Amino acid sequence: EPEVTQTPSHQVTQMGQEVILRCVPISNHLYFYWYRQILGQKVEFLVSFYNNEISEKSEIFDDQFSVERPDGSNFTLKIRSTKLEDSAMYFCASSSSGTGTDTQYFGPGTRLTVL
Amino acid sequence: AQSVSQHNHHVILSEAASLELGCNYSYGGTVNLFWYVQYPGQHLQLLLKYFSGDPLVKGIKGFEAEFIKSKFSFNLRKPSVQWSDTAEYFCAVMTYSSASKIIFGSGTRLSIRP
Repeated sequence: EPEVTQTPSHQVTQMGQEVILRCVPISNHLYFYWYRQILGQKVEFLVSFYNNEISEKSEIFDDQFSVERPDGSNFTLKIRSTKLEDSAMYFCASSSSGTGTDTQYFGPGTRLTVL
Repeated sequence: AQSVSQHNHHVILSEAASLELGCNYSYGGTVNLFWYVQYPGQHLQLLLKYFSGDPLVKGIKGFEAEFIKSKFSFNLRKPSVQWSDTAEYFCAVMTYSSASKIIFGSGTRLSIRP
């Protein structure tokens, strides 16, 4: 069964540094998402992306965050200047359509640790 | 704002016991409802989903959930759990006003004693 993959599995960075988290969605999917889960807290929606544009974003997704589909397979989340509170597990997801009846398939996550 | 509440943070059961995990959501409009499961070291997987029709939804691995609109609830059930059901279970909702954003509950950790 096709899966969403994410790299790296664990990223450690210094506060203020830029990080790029990478995701390879399922190949025929057109809608892409990022979620995050701070340790001990809920999984939270960050952003959805379709046709090279952000469809929806949460209040968490401020100017420090950006997303990009640099080629036909990757979907990235960039954090420009990391803060301690950005430490979390980041999940990528994809779906074939953006409708509410479609299933979002999640990747295994990247654990980001900001020191 | 929409939210999802899961009543139990950690549930411990013996094998063959029956399971019911509670989930309530707050949203007055039409919703799609989900249960996701995360087995140790694995990614979030869809267990079952409800969009419309029969409020009793059957999912994988013998799980089912019942949507009770009047109670804003979507409880997960399994008549007889196995050790392999040890995992974290997340209830989630998607509203029709935002067809891309899944709102998750805080999760229930299920531990099964062999």
